[in-house]
This record gives sequence, C-alpha cells and structure tokens, in this order.
Amino acid sequence: DAKTTQPTSMDCAEGRAANLPCNHSTISGNEYVYWYRQIHSQGPQYIIHGLKNNETNEMASLIITEDRKSSTLILPHATLRDTAVYYCIAFSQGGSEKLVFGKGTKLTVNP
Amino acid sequence: DTAVSQTPKYLVTQMGNDKSIKCEQNLGHDTMYWYKQDSKKFLKIMFSYNNKELIINETVPNRFSPKSPDKAHLNLHINSLELGDSAVYFCASSPRSANSPLHFGNGTRLTVT
Repeated sequence: DAKTTQPTSMDCAEGRAANLPCNHSTISGNEYVYWYRQIHSQGPQYIIHGLKNNETNEMASLIITEDRKSSTLILPHATLRDTAVYYCIAFSQGGSEKLVFGKGTKLTVNP
Repeated sequence: DTAVSQTPKYLVTQMGNDKSIKCEQNLGHDTMYWYKQDSKKFLKIMFSYNNKELIINETVPNRFSPKSPDKAHLNLHINSLELGDSAVYFCASSPRSANSPLHFGNGTRLTVT
C-alpha cells in the first residue's frame, strides 16, 4: 500500500473551512484515497474516499490532484466537534482487508 | 442500535490471566476485523474474518485467538496476558464489496497490571 504523509497537526477557527493536505506520491493507479477520523476515545469514523475525481458528501469534500500524488480533505464549516485525528490512507481496490493507518493529522478547531 | 458494539468497554486484569473481548455487528456485513491501538496511537490490523473464515492474520502472538461463531460476531481471546498487551482494541466490519468503508466500534481499553 502507498505510504501517505500528513502534517502532524493543524488548527482551524470554528466556522471556517479546514483544509487537510495529504501526500501520496507513490500511489498506484488502482489505489483509492480514503479519509477517516478518530475523535478522542472513539473508534475511527469513515469520512470519504475517491480514486481520480473530486468527491463530496454530507461530511466533507475530497480534492485529488490530476497526477493523484496528493489530495486535500475539506471540511467546509468546521465545528468544535470536528476536533479529531484525521487519517489519509491509500490502498488498492479489492477490498478493505488491510487498511493501514499512519500517524494522521491532529486537527484542533478553536472557538 | 449501535452498529458495531464491543464489550467490555474497559478491562483491567493481571499478567498471566486469560480474557476475552466480544464484538457484534448488526449491519449484515460479511467481513470483520480486529485492530490494536497502542500507547503511541498507532492503529494496526491484527485479524480479518470473512464469513467466519480467517483471511488476514498479521504478525500477532498466538496467545491471541480470534473466534467467529457466525458472521455477525468476532470475539478476541487472549491467553497469558502480558504488560505489552495493554492497548485499545477496536473491532470493525465492512461489506464484502470492494472499497467498502470500515465501520468501527468504540474500542475496549485493556490494561494489564
């Protein structure tokens, strides 16, 4: 599975957009980009995933560069409850059998 | 109506004991997993079962034995507990179809004294 690199931590003001970057320069053509988050003392929560095209759901938007070497997760209007560790994961199509979590980005949303 | 539920939430025990953690999912998923999150917060997969059949077994000591009585349950039994087993253990499930996201439980915090 491709290795991803993310900033260790980020801050965001409540109500503003939070843009979380992820580099996955060695991603292969059949690997998807997944985002999960883990709020303190809870299990990881799926946010969104994509292959090539930008994706949007009720939680967030995912912007993937044309060369697929990096992506950005966007939380359009961050709230205090979005404070969490955000994980960017790249792995190959064929099932979720081996989702590998890195260190993630600790996002702190400030009032 | 929690989707993936684990019991107990907290487990404190002494070295050398044998303990079990239970996991149940009511999502109708075919695949279930156990992950371990250590003190440094790294999440690592331990096991994966699909329809009661073991499909992933990472480098985990054989003191850890998963058991899947049916596809809605995946229990984790740990023999001869050691201090290094202290961690948060997460159960998860997913549908069989490719690229389906995992649904995690809220974890069991195991403390071995």
